[in-house]
Amino acid sequence: NAGVTQTPKFQVLKTGQSMTLQCAQDMNHEYMSWYRQDPGMGLRLIHYSVGAGITDQGEVPNGYNVSRSTTEDFPLRLLSAAPSQTSVYFCASSYTDSSSYNEQFFGPGTRLTVL
Amino acid sequence: GQSLEQPSEVTAVEGAIVQINCTYQTSGFYGLSWYQQHDGGAPTFLSYNALDGLEETGRFSSFLSRSDSYGYLLLQELQMKDSASYFCAVRGGRDDKIIFGKGTRLHILP
Repeated sequence: NAGVTQTPKFQVLKTGQSMTLQCAQDMNHEYMSWYRQDPGMGLRLIHYSVGAGITDQGEVPNGYNVSRSTTEDFPLRLLSAAPSQTSVYFCASSYTDSSSYNEQFFGPGTRLTVL
Repeated sequence: GQSLEQPSEVTAVEGAIVQINCTYQTSGFYGLSWYQQHDGGAPTFLSYNALDGLEETGRFSSFLSRSDSYGYLLLQELQMKDSASYFCAVRGGRDDKIIFGKGTRLHILP
């Protein structure tokens, strides 16, 4: 199993550009989520999904869109990049049964810089 | 909403025991979990508590008191490789999402 994969690993954007961060998992996990990590701010939840066709907003959703057309994939779209979106982005997934829900598996992260 | 509080930094000596505390607020509660993150890496799952009490996994233990909305991670026989950031995370709220604390940086002195 590849686990949770994210592409790209690094990205530099100019203000106003759009892009999609890719996330895929091969563990048949129902729950998938996107976090951003900034120094001193911990991991902040952007969007999450409990299954294909279902998405919901997290703590900091503004400026980001997601979709979940398949169980495996959960792309994150930046609509019009801003310098405030410079961050490290992590995708995570887990099962949704009672005990496994809390054990999230993380991808390696995407380091995004917006100039 | 949901929120978590944990110390920003803790320092301990190699071979000693250290406790990292976490208090949380959530409208609904389904579990408190702990993650470890080394510099430049991704968070990795350590442990999870849904019920009151202590859960032990090797050198690491995690404790939960739901009545106090409080938990801690206990690391024993500290090794230099335990130098990392540790995050508590709560699953709960109206829509059953998982929210992380800001993390505790653990420094280990030889």
